Amino acid sequence: GAVVSQHPSWVICKSGTSVKIECRSLDFQATTMFWYRQFPKKSLMLMATSNEGSKATYEQGVEKDKFLINHASLTLSTLTVTSAHPEDSSFYICSARDSGTSGTGELFFGEGSRLTVL
Amino acid sequence: AQSVTQLDSQVPVFEEAPVELRCNYSSSVSVYLFWYVQYPNQGLQLLLKYLSGSTLVKGINGFEAEFNKSQTSFHLRKPSVHISDTAEYFCAVSEGTGGFKTIFGAGTRLFVKA
Repeated sequence: GAVVSQHPSWVICKSGTSVKIECRSLDFQATTMFWYRQFPKKSLMLMATSNEGSKATYEQGVEKDKFLINHASLTLSTLTVTSAHPEDSSFYICSARDSGTSGTGELFFGEGSRLTVL
Repeated sequence: AQSVTQLDSQVPVFEEAPVELRCNYSSSVSVYLFWYVQYPNQGLQLLLKYLSGSTLVKGINGFEAEFNKSQTSFHLRKPSVHISDTAEYFCAVSEGTGGFKTIFGAGTRLFVKA
C-alpha cells in the first residue's frame, strides 16, 4: 500500500525557534498533500492544503506566516513552524492523495510529528 | 461546506460484544465517506471507505459500515470486538471536488473491556 513518511516523529525546541517537519510520499506521487493539527484527545483540524508547485491554501484562522508550507516536488511537502511558542505544541499529521488513483479521495497518513515547544 | 458529526465521544464495550459507532454528515454535493482508526501516538489508518455502489462496505479487522443517503449516516459496526480494537475512530467526509479536502469528525474513543 501507499506509504507516507513524516520526519521527525518527535521534536522539542525552544520558544522563538523554527521547526521544519517533512512529509514524503514514498511509493507514489502526490500533487496534493494536507496538513492537520491534532490537540490532545481532539479531532484532526485541517490546517492547509499543500499543492505541488504552487502556494498552499490555508484554512480560515490558520496563520500562513506562522505555518509555512512548501510543496517543492511530487513526493515532498514541508511544514515550518516559525518562531514557535508553547501554544504551538501539538501533534501535526500530514496526509497525501495518490495522484494516480482516480477519484477515490482516499488519504494516506504519515505517522505524525509531536512538537513540544518549551 | 461539508461537516461530520460523531454522536458518541466514548463507547465502552465488553470483549466479544457487538459495537456500533455512529456518524452523520452533511454536504451539498456527493461525497466519499471514510472511517479511520488511530492508535496512541500514531497516524491514521484507513478502515474502510464508501465511494459508490453497494451501501454496505466491508473493511479491515472485521469492521463494516453502511451508507444511508436518506439519513446522511455512515455508521461503523463490528459484530464482536477484541481488546486490540481499543482506539480512537474517526469518521471523515471528502467532497469529490477541490482536491478532495477531507474533514474529520470529533472522534469516538472505543474502549474494549475484558
